[in-house]
Amino acid sequence: EDQVTQSPEALRLQEGESSSLNCSYTVSGLRGLFWYRQDPGKGPEFLFTLYSAGEEKEKERLKATLTKKESFLHITAPKPEDSATYLCAVQANSGYALNFGKGTSLLVTP
Amino acid sequence: EAQVTQNPRYLITVTGKKLTVTCSQNMNHEYMSWYRQDPGLGLRQIYYSMNVEVTDKGDVPEGYKVSRKEKRNFPLILESPSPNQTSLYFCASSSQGADTEAFFGQGTRLTVV
Repeated sequence: EDQVTQSPEALRLQEGESSSLNCSYTVSGLRGLFWYRQDPGKGPEFLFTLYSAGEEKEKERLKATLTKKESFLHITAPKPEDSATYLCAVQANSGYALNFGKGTSLLVTP
Repeated sequence: EAQVTQNPRYLITVTGKKLTVTCSQNMNHEYMSWYRQDPGLGLRQIYYSMNVEVTDKGDVPEGYKVSRKEKRNFPLILESPSPNQTSLYFCASSSQGADTEAFFGQGTRLTVV
């Protein structure tokens, strides 16, 4: 059975204090690993797709990396507007369903 | 603008009163799905559709129905809602081509009393 575990559950950072969020996964044949951002009361917003170990993608202050067992979302010099819940999901080769982790709630204070 | 539109955004109803939540996408995506999001449980898939007239159960299908008569629309039907279906619901769509990231609607907050 596919499993996705995100850590930490919650993270509080000072503005400018870089850190990383972790997503550990098990899946029988990975089609893709996805990162989403979710603001309170809103739908998840797509950030990145990673397809194979060693792949990296960047967008502004965010960088996602992938190994065979986990993915990291690195946040460099975060700003208060980066505060949100970050969700990781895996998609198996057998279908198109997304199996989500429970998310990391990030708070960046000025 | 590419988008997934859900209606209504908020709904309070009584136990047993049938309701439908609509979902429409304008990206010509083949794959559509419904998720519910509950505190501590994360997002869980209810039903999905691979294309018109092709639907299947997700992880938590009990108490829900869906239909896919047109490619753009994928309504979620609760024939006899119960309080344990109080939740935040999201519709999502994705392509089955090279880029399979899902696009989500804004959500429907349902309360069943």
